[in-house]
Amino acid sequence: SAVISQKPSRDICQRGTSLTIQCQVDSQVTMMFWYRQQPGQSLTLIATANQGSEATYESGFVIDKFPISRPNLTFSTLTVSNMSPEDSSIYLCSVVKGVRTEAFFGQGTRLTVV
Amino acid sequence: DAKTTQPPSMDCAEGRAANLPCNHSTISGNEYVYWYRQIHSQGPQYIIHGLKNNETNEMASLIITEDRKSSTLILPHATLRDTAVYYCIADHHGSGNTGKLIFGQGTTLQVKP
Repeated sequence: SAVISQKPSRDICQRGTSLTIQCQVDSQVTMMFWYRQQPGQSLTLIATANQGSEATYESGFVIDKFPISRPNLTFSTLTVSNMSPEDSSIYLCSVVKGVRTEAFFGQGTRLTVV
Repeated sequence: DAKTTQPPSMDCAEGRAANLPCNHSTISGNEYVYWYRQIHSQGPQYIIHGLKNNETNEMASLIITEDRKSSTLILPHATLRDTAVYYCIADHHGSGNTGKLIFGQGTTLQVKP
């Protein structure tokens, strides 16, 4: 298994500002991902966080808006930049430890932009 | 990744078996069927996965049809704590796949006393 700690758990931010979300795993993992869950919706994959290189973004998500870092095998950050109320969502970190193994999720960061 | 189709909502009486169906008619030979659930205000939780054989663990059973075009997740004795959104995902964990998950809308299971 994997225990994931996400910080902060929730925040209320002013529009135009940026927020960095941290994801810390208790063991080394192969893959790390970031998801967004808009109110009342399912999860949407934002990007794959690659260790030591640029993240791989899904269609509709760009690095300037959601810069991601992954300096090692246990830690990653997601920044939500120049926020607007439309960015109000839950952001979740997920990890996979190996091939054909399940994904583990953090508890999420509930972001409200006012 | 194959698209999956699930009913938007289901009810189940507490103590009874909950049978959640999933259609994945375009699934390919190397794609597994995964089930996750998301209890309100929590991150998704892995339940079970399988390729073509039926699977059982401490949480649930997974029944996959012989043609692999559909499956059923069975919670044998549903409790109120099983109330959640259940996601069926077809995913291949082989060469070239990174383990990322494409979530559909899922089935909201309401377990009633």
